[in-house]
Amino acid sequence: NAGVMQNPRHLVRRRGQEARLRCSPMKGHSHVYWYRQLPEEGLKFMVYLQKENIIDESGMPKERFSAEFPKEGPSILRIQQVVRGDSAAYFCASSPRQGAFADTQYFGPGTRLTVL
Amino acid sequence: SQQGEEDPQALSIQEGENATMNCSYKTSINNLQWYRQNSGRGLVHLILIRSNEREKHSGRLRVTLDTSKKSSSLLITASRAADTASYFCATGQGAQKLVFGQGTRLTINP
Repeated sequence: NAGVMQNPRHLVRRRGQEARLRCSPMKGHSHVYWYRQLPEEGLKFMVYLQKENIIDESGMPKERFSAEFPKEGPSILRIQQVVRGDSAAYFCASSPRQGAFADTQYFGPGTRLTVL
Repeated sequence: SQQGEEDPQALSIQEGENATMNCSYKTSINNLQWYRQNSGRGLVHLILIRSNEREKHSGRLRVTLDTSKKSSSLLITASRAADTASYFCATGQGAQKLVFGQGTRLTINP
């Protein structure tokens, strides 16, 4: 059973460009979470999605950031008009939300975004 | 605001010694989870302890939870060089997000 997959692993963008980060959850998981980690800091929650629904986006910046988890395909975190402050590692996690490991979140390797 | 606060921020010990890291939090929780992160890598889930549990073991790991003090500890026994990493506690609230602390950077010296 493959783990959570994220791509790309590294992404470089110039200010003003768009960044698209992809996350494929573990097989059988329909709950996806996105977190951001600045250097030397812990992870900060951004958004929680189920298939085709945003459940909690309380950690998402109000502008330029959006997330989706379509019925088919990976979850996408989209950052429009990137600025240098968006440079960070973005982690996706998935959870089964049922069974013995319902509350455990399994993390992907992350996408390291660098904005020049 | 951050929920979990790890203590110490950095810990350096000799291989073979035990390492203890602490985590405090502020609000009520459903569960508390510990994760390990090697430099520049993703997070590896170590252990989950529920709010009605007091202690849990997994291999060389021992986690305690004191809900009256809103604190948890992670003990790694007989440390190895491969244990060098950052360790984060994260509190689960409701069925959704995890709230992470700043982490403890553990260095095991050979």
